[in-house]
Amino acid sequence: EAAVTQSPRNKVAVTGGKVTLSCNQTNNHNNMYWYRQDTGHGLRLIHYSYGAGSTEKGDIPDGYKASRPSQENFSLILELATPSQTSVYFCASGDGWGDEQYFGPGTRLTVL
Amino acid sequence: QQKVQQSPESLIVPEGAMTSLNCTFSDSASQYFAWYRQHSGKAPKALMSIFSNGEKEEGRFTIHLNKASLHFSLHIRDSQPSDSALYLCAVRGTGSNRLTFGKGTKFSLIP
Repeated sequence: EAAVTQSPRNKVAVTGGKVTLSCNQTNNHNNMYWYRQDTGHGLRLIHYSYGAGSTEKGDIPDGYKASRPSQENFSLILELATPSQTSVYFCASGDGWGDEQYFGPGTRLTVL
Repeated sequence: QQKVQQSPESLIVPEGAMTSLNCTFSDSASQYFAWYRQHSGKAPKALMSIFSNGEKEEGRFTIHLNKASLHFSLHIRDSQPSDSALYLCAVRGTGSNRLTFGKGTKFSLIP
């Protein structure tokens, strides 16, 4: 089974601070995704990547940047964190067109 | 942009019951339809998927797709306590390898 890990698992940040969420997958999947999950909104796509060096905007990219330095790693960066970015963030990986996505355990981010 | 909607928002049933969860989508050319299950505090995990019109059964779960009606569903029979979770439907549109998720149906068993 695909293995996706995220770090940190929990994070408290201050408004205006920089936050980096990291994701690692060990199954050589080409595609990686960052979602946030909020009550009443389901899973919403922030950024995704087709492979090392590529990033694409999802449905709610404002206030977020992404970086894919290697096949295994995909980061989500909040340059100036705001309280509205308090949420649970999930990373996922997958291969091919519409194939199953494998999710990491999630990061709970609180911005005060 | 693909619109995906789920109903009902929540569902409470007795153990052993049969039930259905629904999902509608807006892109008639969508090509992949899936249900994910998320237990409380855990990551979503794929439950089952379908690519073409019809039904697919895996154990107590059946997925049914009707593209013409822009609708697919998940049927659960003989509900068990382990089925209590948030169920998310997901759709892949044409020419894309990204999924659009619904907001979820919270499924619980009567204690």
